[in-house]
Amino acid sequence: DTAVSQTPKYLVTQMGNDKSIKCEQNLGHDTMYWYKQDSKKFLKIMFSYNNKELIINETVPNRFSPKSPDKAHLNLHINSLELGDSAVYFCASSQDAGGPYNEQFFGPGTRLTVL
Amino acid sequence: GQNIDQPTEMTATEGAIVQINCTYQTSGFNGLFWYQQHAGEAPTFLSYNVLDGLEEKGRFSSFLSRSKGYSYLLLKELQMKDSASYLCAVIDSNYQLIWGAGTKLIIKP
Repeated sequence: DTAVSQTPKYLVTQMGNDKSIKCEQNLGHDTMYWYKQDSKKFLKIMFSYNNKELIINETVPNRFSPKSPDKAHLNLHINSLELGDSAVYFCASSQDAGGPYNEQFFGPGTRLTVL
Repeated sequence: GQNIDQPTEMTATEGAIVQINCTYQTSGFNGLFWYQQHAGEAPTFLSYNVLDGLEEKGRFSSFLSRSKGYSYLLLKELQMKDSASYLCAVIDSNYQLIWGAGTKLIIKP
């Protein structure tokens, strides 16, 4: 039943480690997104993929690498984790990348804590 | 640059009415969303406006004035469960969604 799912829900790790977060949507949407929400609750777009192609790549350290094996999945791999990476990461999907109406459906979020 | 402004925090009383304002300066406009986000949860869709005027959906209404770069979300008959953050987001001319920082709404009995 879950429309957009993410795993894991919680991730606690040490500085310098490499970790991945997985995202899957079963809505048949063409576009998927990764957002970072920090302690100030500001939602910042990181990446957007449309039909497995990267369309938005905001100013994000290249330690962050998204991978889209198919249009239903968008995974986020993070190398050499830093304290400042601690945040909640949300995956989202929408029907289209463009067009005037692209309501986004969000996953439950992954709370990443770097120690 | 692109900018969306919302009050950081508002407080209201259960049963009352509250209006949350959003002003925007973006490169073009293709619609405005309001999302609700409870603490520790994902944002969920509330409303979408692309034409001027008021859109009503139950206890929630959203208003848009494109000429003023202004929108508001009106919540009536407030309930304790309405305590949440309310995010305003605008679609710009490149069809990218620009997010505001959100307004934390606190409801008191």
